[in-house]
Amino acid sequence: DGGITQSPKYLFRKEGQNVTLSCEQNLNHDAMYWYRQDPGQGLRLIYYSQIVNDFQKGDIAEGYSVSREKKESFPLTVTSAQKNPTAFYLCASRSPQANEKLFFGSGTQLSVL
Amino acid sequence: GESVGLHLPTLSVQEGDNSIINCAYSNSASDYFIWYKQESGKGPQFIIDIRSNMDKRQGQRVTVLLNKTVKHLSLQIAATQPGDSAVYFCADAVGDSSYKLIFGSGTRLLVRP
Repeated sequence: DGGITQSPKYLFRKEGQNVTLSCEQNLNHDAMYWYRQDPGQGLRLIYYSQIVNDFQKGDIAEGYSVSREKKESFPLTVTSAQKNPTAFYLCASRSPQANEKLFFGSGTQLSVL
Repeated sequence: GESVGLHLPTLSVQEGDNSIINCAYSNSASDYFIWYKQESGKGPQFIIDIRSNMDKRQGQRVTVLLNKTVKHLSLQIAATQPGDSAVYFCADAVGDSSYKLIFGSGTRLLVRP
C-alpha cells in the first residue's frame, strides 16, 4: 500500500531530551511537510522540504530541526530548546501532479514526562 | 496578514439533514482552497478542493462554494451521516512556489442520531 507512515504513534520526552519523530513515504512525492497541532487549534507549519537535501523553516521552526537525506524520509527532531513540545505532530507529502493537495500521515502524539 | 478562520467552532446536526460549514479567508491573492476532515487521533483526510477560477465544485455528497467577493468558503454535506462526525478544516494555499497551506482552527461537526 502506498502512503505516509509516522512513528511512533505515542512518544514521551524527558526534560532536556531531544526526540526524533519518523516520517516515511512511498508515494514518490518530492515535497514533505511537518505540522504541529495543539488541542482545538488548526495546523501550524514547522518545516517543509521541496526536494532532497533542501528544506525551509515554516512559521514555528524554533526548537525543531529536520533533515532530508532521502526522498522517502523527513525526520523531525524536537530539541530541548522547544519548551512546550506537547502536541500532535503531522507529517504530509505532496506530489506536483496533485497540485497543492497534501497527503497526511496518522500523526505522532508527543508528551512531556 | 493572511488568515483562514471559521465562524462556528461546533456544529450539531440531525442525521439525514444537510450540513454547512463556513470559512473566511483574508488573503485576496489566495487561489487554491481545500477542505480536510480529521477524526480523533488521526491525520486529516482530503475531502474536496477548488481553485479561485471556480465558484462551485461538487463531489460525492459534498459541495464547496467559493465567494471571492466576500472571501468566504463553505462546505456543504448532504444527508449527513454519523460517520461524518469529525473536525473539518479549510485551508488556502499561499500563492507562491512554496505551496504552503494555511489552516483554520477547524469546526467540529456532531451528528445526532
